[in-house]
Amino acid sequence: ETGVTQTPRHLVMGMTNKKSLKCEQHLGHNAMYWYKQSAKKPLELMFVYNFKEQTENNSVPSRFSPECPNSSHLFLHLHTLQPEDSALYLCASSRGTAFSGNTIYFGEGSWLTVV
Amino acid sequence: GDSVTQMEGPVTLSEEAFLTINCTYTATGYPSLFWYVQYPGEGLQLLLKATKADDKGSNKGFEATYRKETTSFHLEKGSVQVSDSAVYFCALRRSSGGGADGLTFGKGTHLIIQP
Repeated sequence: ETGVTQTPRHLVMGMTNKKSLKCEQHLGHNAMYWYKQSAKKPLELMFVYNFKEQTENNSVPSRFSPECPNSSHLFLHLHTLQPEDSALYLCASSRGTAFSGNTIYFGEGSWLTVV
Repeated sequence: GDSVTQMEGPVTLSEEAFLTINCTYTATGYPSLFWYVQYPGEGLQLLLKATKADDKGSNKGFEATYRKETTSFHLEKGSVQVSDSAVYFCALRRSSGGGADGLTFGKGTHLIIQP
């Protein structure tokens, strides 16, 4: 139990569907992240939020839309995805972005399959 | 840009063998360095970290020393167990004020320990 909870753990969606991934952290952290883990690429940072404000968008296609209503919750809204978007999506949090030594804690991930 | 290079494996060892997983990095400034472990079907867990040169991180019998002169952070364990079978990721986090936040990961090393 890392203190970062992701739902759903598994999701299958069609290319025309709209779905959302949810992440909640119980650590009192101020920064939250979305990462993508696919079989053939290293872990990729997608988005960074610090105190609810987006501070980084790592050239992610607009079919992925993040939302951070408060420091404890982070969503990833999905629409018109492609099969190559099938991957494990990992949410993470850290105390902040000011000190590089702050540990980033990960959730268990949401396995997404696009059919 | 920042990068992390590690042996990909799979690395197969017998129980009680000595383990070394090499990791080298390229980064501006003075990053913090991390090792994460991912067990099958799970998210990433922090294994150990070091935030400045010559620091040694240690946990569960694993050790790694931050070597600035060789830009390395090799992971070692004196006697591995079957339960250590997992994928190990070396990562760096840029120092504050360096721009992008989040972790830069290596591709991961798949470790298999045989009884």
